[in-house]
Amino acid sequence: EVRLVESGGDLVKPGGSLRLSCAASGFTFTNAWMSWVRQAPGKGLEWVGRIKSKPDGAATDYAAHLIDRFIISRDDSKSTVFLQMNSLKTEDTAVYYCTSSLVIPGAHNDYWGQGSLVTVSS
Amino acid sequence: QSVLTQPPSASGTPGQRVTISCSGGSSIIGSNTINWYQQFPGTAPKLIIYNLNERPSGVPDRFSGSKSGTSASLAISGLQSDDESDYYCAAYDYNLNEWLFGGGTKLTVL
Repeated sequence: EVRLVESGGDLVKPGGSLRLSCAASGFTFTNAWMSWVRQAPGKGLEWVGRIKSKPDGAATDYAAHLIDRFIISRDDSKSTVFLQMNSLKTEDTAVYYCTSSLVIPGAHNDYWGQGSLVTVSS
Repeated sequence: QSVLTQPPSASGTPGQRVTISCSGGSSIIGSNTINWYQQFPGTAPKLIIYNLNERPSGVPDRFSGSKSGTSASLAISGLQSDDESDYYCAAYDYNLNEWLFGGGTKLTVL
């Protein structure tokens, strides 16, 4: 059974940093491209970015307006993908999902975590 | 404000066919790399259409996707009460190498 389990969500002050983790199991993580998607309270979905597999160079792509503050990385030895968020703003308050969806155009792997709530507030 | 435009709401009665549109620029919609997601409150989204008109295994054939010009559409036929959900389109922008979402449509089954 495929499982994606996010952790690390917390209350953080504006300007602060936070790192989310997503532990994967049930599939060959080393070959997987992974994405992060977020959803502000009562709002729609927003793609944050993706990381390719290490065989594909582990390159990252981001939503243009987040590229200066967010960093996605991976540790294949732990089957975990990370989202480092810096200089957090109140508008970054959202549930953050890691997913195998929204990576390669045309692919249809569709596994999602349960989401991790990040609240940015003073 | 989303690059892809969806109507905020749609509705239909059981058994009816409803469509939800997703409008965007020709460079985005024209690629046919369009996904549709269904999301129930408090849960993660679920992929129901990919590559404009393909269904993942397990998704009923009542769900279908199409495109006309710079607008993609999700059609749900034989509407059921448990289709009541939020629906999002997503398209891949090959110029920016990023996925873009529509604002979402709340479907109500009357």
